[in-house]
Amino acid sequence: EAGVAQSPRYKIIEKRQSVAFWCNPISGHATLYWYQQILGQGPKLLIQFQNNGVVDDSQLPKDRFSAERLKGVDSTLKIQPAKLEDSAVYLCASSLEEYGQGFHYGYTFGSGTRLTVV
Amino acid sequence: AQKVTQAQTEISVVEKEDVTLDCVYETRDTTYYLFWYKQPPSGELVFLIRRNSFDEQNEISGRYSWNFQKSTSSFNFTITASQVVDSAVYFCARPPHNNDMRFGAGTRLTVKP
Repeated sequence: EAGVAQSPRYKIIEKRQSVAFWCNPISGHATLYWYQQILGQGPKLLIQFQNNGVVDDSQLPKDRFSAERLKGVDSTLKIQPAKLEDSAVYLCASSLEEYGQGFHYGYTFGSGTRLTVV
Repeated sequence: AQKVTQAQTEISVVEKEDVTLDCVYETRDTTYYLFWYKQPPSGELVFLIRRNSFDEQNEISGRYSWNFQKSTSSFNFTITASQVVDSAVYFCARPPHNNDMRFGAGTRLTVKP
């Protein structure tokens, strides 16, 4: 089974520029998550999709971050404009389970995109 | 708000030593799950174990073992006879509700040859 694919692996941009990350979850996984992991911290949830609908974006800084999951498969996360404090690893994860069904299967994480804002 | 605390920021051991990583959680729920993940230098989070609050049995998987103590709200992870390949950041996590995995700050384990 192929894992969760993310690209690019690394990205360096200047502050105020825009950037987009892409995630391809495991085939058939209904739920997709974007996490932000700042150096030295645990991952923090940004947004959660079930199929192509958002179920939780309460921690997404919506003034600059946006995300979509077209057709309930791939997802993109965008930052516009970027700030220095956005430097982090952005992790995508997917799960077979649907929202609220529990954790029998757990999550599968991608390798992440390391963003550096200079 | 239902935090997960990993008090050990960094641990360094010499190969073949045993090491225990601590995890303390807060919860108001009677049913909950706890997880451990490993994050090697490659960056992806690797699932190690899931524990249901109803199951207080300790678990052993090869050199890994987990001690779940509801009375102290702890879910500690022990690596026996550590190896250099065990060097990674280890995260304890629990979902407070629905499908949102909440992570502790992580413990960086360095195993020296």
